[in-house]
Amino acid sequence: KAGVTQTPRYLIKTRGQQVTLSCSPISGHRSVSWYQQTPGQGLQFLFEYFSETQRNKGNFPGRFSGRQFSNSRSEMNVSTLELGDSALYLCASSLVGNGYTFGSGTRLTVV
Amino acid sequence: TQLLEQSPQFLSIQEGENLTVYCNSSSVFSSLQWYRQEPGEGPVLLVTVVTGGEVKKLKRLTFQFGDARKDSSLHITAAQPGDTGLYLCAGGRAGNNRKLIWGLGTSLAVNP
Repeated sequence: KAGVTQTPRYLIKTRGQQVTLSCSPISGHRSVSWYQQTPGQGLQFLFEYFSETQRNKGNFPGRFSGRQFSNSRSEMNVSTLELGDSALYLCASSLVGNGYTFGSGTRLTVV
Repeated sequence: TQLLEQSPQFLSIQEGENLTVYCNSSSVFSSLQWYRQEPGEGPVLLVTVVTGGEVKKLKRLTFQFGDARKDSSLHITAAQPGDTGLYLCAGGRAGNNRKLIWGLGTSLAVNP
C-alpha cells in the first residue's frame, strides 16, 4: 500500500512569507503528527490530529498551525517565516497504539 | 533540556564489527521506539519495546529495554554498510503515549 506522501519535497521561501505543507497518510490511518527536525534540536513535536481534531500540541508559537480534513489528509501552515524555521518538516501517520510511519519530509529553506 | 540522551553521537566502524548504541533518561517511559533514518528521508520504525527488561531481536539487531524503563540499547552484530544511518530513540509517556520524546540520535557509518 502507498506510504505517507508529503508535498512539496523542497521549498525555498523568503522571510515574512507564509507556507503550507501537505501530508497524505497511509490509507486507513486517522492519526497524523507533524515534526520539525533540525540538526541541533532533533525532532520536535508540532501537533497531532485525529479525526479532524487537534489532540496534542507541542511548544511552538502560534505562527505554526495545522488542520486535518475528513479524508485524513493534513496540512500545516507557517506564517511570517523566520530564518530559524528552516528545517525538515516530517509528517507521520499511525494506527492508534502503533508506531509511526513517516513521510520523506519537506525541506524548507527560509532566506 | 534533552530528556533522552543518545550515545555515542557519532560512530564510524568497519564492516563486520559489532557495536552498541545507548538511549538514556532519568524519566520512566511506558514505551520506547527505535528508528533508523537515512539522509533525505523520514525515520523508519525498527522496533517498539514496552516491558521493562524486554529484549527483541530483528535479524542482526538486538534491542533491550531497561528493567526500570528509563533506558534502552541497540546492539548490531557484524555491521554492514547498509546499516549506515541515523539511529533515533523515542519514548512515550504513560497517559500521553502519542507525544513522543526524541533523542538527537546516533549517526552510524559502516565502512566497507
